[in-house]
Amino acid sequence: AQKITQTQPGMFVQEKEAVTLDCTYDTSDQSYGLFWYKQPSSGEMIFLIYQGSYDEQNATEGRYSLNFQKARKSANLVISASQLGDSAMYFCAMREGRESSASKIIFGSGTRLSIRP
Amino acid sequence: GAVVSQHPSWVICKSGTSVKIECRSLDFQATTMFWYRQFPKQSLMLMATSNEGSKATYEQGVEKDKFLINHASLTLSTLTVTSAHPEDSSFYICSARVGAPTRTEAFFGQGTRLTVV
Repeated sequence: AQKITQTQPGMFVQEKEAVTLDCTYDTSDQSYGLFWYKQPSSGEMIFLIYQGSYDEQNATEGRYSLNFQKARKSANLVISASQLGDSAMYFCAMREGRESSASKIIFGSGTRLSIRP
Repeated sequence: GAVVSQHPSWVICKSGTSVKIECRSLDFQATTMFWYRQFPKQSLMLMATSNEGSKATYEQGVEKDKFLINHASLTLSTLTVTSAHPEDSSFYICSARVGAPTRTEAFFGQGTRLTVV
């Protein structure tokens, strides 16, 4: 069974609009972490935002915010005021279990976001 | 800080030869590193967890004799694709984590695009 599900293979958004990228996850652990990464065409993986399972507040990092709904097991990424440079692949990822440097992170299938000028 | 460097960024090799990819943590010690494989327009699939001074842990379905991992120091892990075939052509990317409480996210190398001809 898939642990991380991203149901939107591709999205087109007008520049300056807000966009929500969906992510649902499946785990039986009480302690886990959720991440969003951006991958431009160059291939590098750029960390965007992190949400711990015990964090009560939704994480925010500049134009990025994470809409964390624990009971629904969803961790949607919201990008406000989208820019042309936001066009890229976006991956939702999860770390199961307690945090440690040895904890592996698994990725969803990704959403390709394209920003229209 | 927390830079991971991967080398080479691209390599073309003949079928049947072996290719070594290096992953270095430049400003932190990484007892654990992770190797991922990404086919075009697909997600990152975890191949193995590289453990300093001990054997790597491979994910189900990954041939350990084909993808040799060596983690001889706290800053270097290598992935050797042995007897490469065209179906091994892919984007290989390594990552390492500093770990909480310092940092939670995984830092990624630039990736290596392997083409086997």
